[in-house]
Amino acid sequence: DAKTTQPTSMDCAEGRAANLPCNHSTISGNEYVYWYRQIHSQGPQYIIHGLKNNETNEMASLIITEDRKSSTLILPHATLRDTAVYYCIVRALNTGTASKLTFGTGTRLQVTL
Amino acid sequence: NAGVMQNPRHLVRRRGQEARLRCSPMKGHSHVYWYRQLPEEGLKFMVYLQKENIIDESGMPKERFSAEFPKEGPSILRIQQVVRGDSAAYFCASSPPAGRTEAFFGQGTRLTVV
Repeated sequence: DAKTTQPTSMDCAEGRAANLPCNHSTISGNEYVYWYRQIHSQGPQYIIHGLKNNETNEMASLIITEDRKSSTLILPHATLRDTAVYYCIVRALNTGTASKLTFGTGTRLQVTL
Repeated sequence: NAGVMQNPRHLVRRRGQEARLRCSPMKGHSHVYWYRQLPEEGLKFMVYLQKENIIDESGMPKERFSAEFPKEGPSILRIQQVVRGDSAAYFCASSPPAGRTEAFFGQGTRLTVV
């Protein structure tokens, strides 16, 4: 699976949008971009994933560049409960079988008052 | 629809004992993944299983660790002759059959070896 690069940490004021970037310049055609987060020591929580089109759900939006070499996760109105480590993961889907999720070091997002 | 259930949530074992960690996937999910997280470290992939089949065990230690996902019942991660270094949080995730690729995690089992 392609490697991803994320900033180590970011701060965001409560109520503002949090924009978390991810670089995946070696992504290949059958690889999806996934985002998970881990709040304190809980189990990782699925947020969103996409292949090439922008995606939105009740938690976040995912913006993928046209060349697919980078993406941005957007939390539109961050709250204190969004403080977590956010992981951007690239994952292949081959002939119907998904590969493992490989977690990097992620971005530690701190939402402040 | 219940989420991924892991039990026990906390497990204490003495050195040399066996630890058995159970993971019940979400309803309709036939794929299970196990991950280990050492204190203050990231999540490390261990093994990926389908029912009665190991797909990818590239992250499993060569000795003392084994995993299974039988046709009926939960997936089991088994650690024989535990050592202090096995103390960690063990997470499992499940995903549906081919066609949808989201994987959902349980809340983990925290193993402490004393």
